[in-house]
Amino acid sequence: QVQLVESGGGVVQPGGSLRLSCAASGFTFRNYNMHWVRQAPGKGLEWVTFIRNDGNNQFYTDSVRGRFTISRDNSKNTVYVDMNSLRVDDTAVYYCARDFRWGFDSWGQGTLVTVSS
Amino acid sequence: QSALTQPPSVSGSPGQSVAISCTGTSTDVGGHSLVSWYQQSPGTAPKLILYEVNNRPSGVPDRFSGSKSGNTASLTISGLQAEDEGNYFCTSYTSTSTWVFGGGTKLTVL
Repeated sequence: QVQLVESGGGVVQPGGSLRLSCAASGFTFRNYNMHWVRQAPGKGLEWVTFIRNDGNNQFYTDSVRGRFTISRDNSKNTVYVDMNSLRVDDTAVYYCARDFRWGFDSWGQGTLVTVSS
Repeated sequence: QSALTQPPSVSGSPGQSVAISCTGTSTDVGGHSLVSWYQQSPGTAPKLILYEVNNRPSGVPDRFSGSKSGNTASLTISGLQAEDEGNYFCTSYTSTSTWVFGGGTKLTVL
């Protein structure tokens, strides 16, 4: 079955950096576009970034463009997001999600990123 | 990239039907048939229940249906059941190759 497992979350000071990873299994990873979606505590969902299956196109929400970078390693079935210049309002549970018909059909369990001094 | 507009809450009794609206603009909901809906229970990851406005993934009951008119998409849940209680989010692909979510709607089954 499809499984997505995020890791790399933690507590970081404002201005700091963090790399999140999402390990995929149970499907042919290289055939699927992937996303990161986040959810601040007690808030709604926010789409963050997208990467095409071959890694050749990436898109970002305005608030993270220039600070976050999505990448993938199809040989390791893993998608990453490098987060720099972190701000307090980046605090959230970060989910990776598999793209399906411009929606998100499989989600990981999420990893919590807390930006605090 | 303004969020899509959903009602904060809706409620209904078991067996009834409820509808949740999702209003955007011509650059997102109105410009594509690429609206999807998600159900989320507290502490869990969201679950896809509709894609491309009105298509159900396998395993989702046909009590869940979707529609779209202009800049507004709607999710209808018929034959409401206690297990349907939770938060519902819509999302749409946009003309700038990004995605935007609605603020979410809390469904209470009375």
